[in-house]
Amino acid sequence: QSALTQPRSVSGSPGQSVTISCTGTSSDVGGYNYVSWYQQHPGKAPKLMIYDVSKRPSGVPDRFSGSKSGNTASLTISGLQAEDEADYYCCSYAGSYNVVFGGGTKLTVL
Amino acid sequence: QVQLVQSGAEVKKPGASVKVSCKASGYTFTSYGISWVRQAPGQGLEWMGWISAYNGNTNYAQKLQGRVTMTTDTSTSTAYMELRSLRSDDTAVYYCARDPSGYVPKSFDYWGQGTLVTVSS
Repeated sequence: QSALTQPRSVSGSPGQSVTISCTGTSSDVGGYNYVSWYQQHPGKAPKLMIYDVSKRPSGVPDRFSGSKSGNTASLTISGLQAEDEADYYCCSYAGSYNVVFGGGTKLTVL
Repeated sequence: QVQLVQSGAEVKKPGASVKVSCKASGYTFTSYGISWVRQAPGQGLEWMGWISAYNGNTNYAQKLQGRVTMTTDTSTSTAYMELRSLRSDDTAVYYCARDPSGYVPKSFDYWGQGTLVTVSS
């Protein structure tokens, strides 16, 4: 199972919006509506930000949104804040009880 | 509140085995699944496998099959991950994570604090 493809880094200024893409195949991202996104600050455990493509867990700000088109999922963060600076990972169910993560994207808030 | 508390850091020699525990509290253990995810120093997240705490069904990442075993003890609400024939590239932080669906590992809503496993001669 190959890792999902994410940009290595993205950046934006406070208040702006950024979008992180996550490209897979029809066997994972394109085949199931089970894409999730995780935020990880240095030295911390990952935190679930989006699940089932576009659903937000309780407590996650509505500045975070998810979508999917074909084999590519996207995480959009609007109204960037300094505390959003972190690594972000996408994840997809890949069938037969398998899961695949993306390589991760480092978000820098300028 | 939901908590996953993992065992402490380990240092192992190449060829040895390690067993990491993950004690769950704050929810009905058998209604959910547990996945194990590892992260090598400076690297991304790697899914290792999944176990249903309901019926013990497991699935392991292809690259780890034959070296990894995941189990649960429902009497103590604890999940275990054993990795054998350790190599230097197994050095990583190992996380347990709860899968809220319980029947398929599609997302992970709570995570343990991580356990650093260092493999060094």
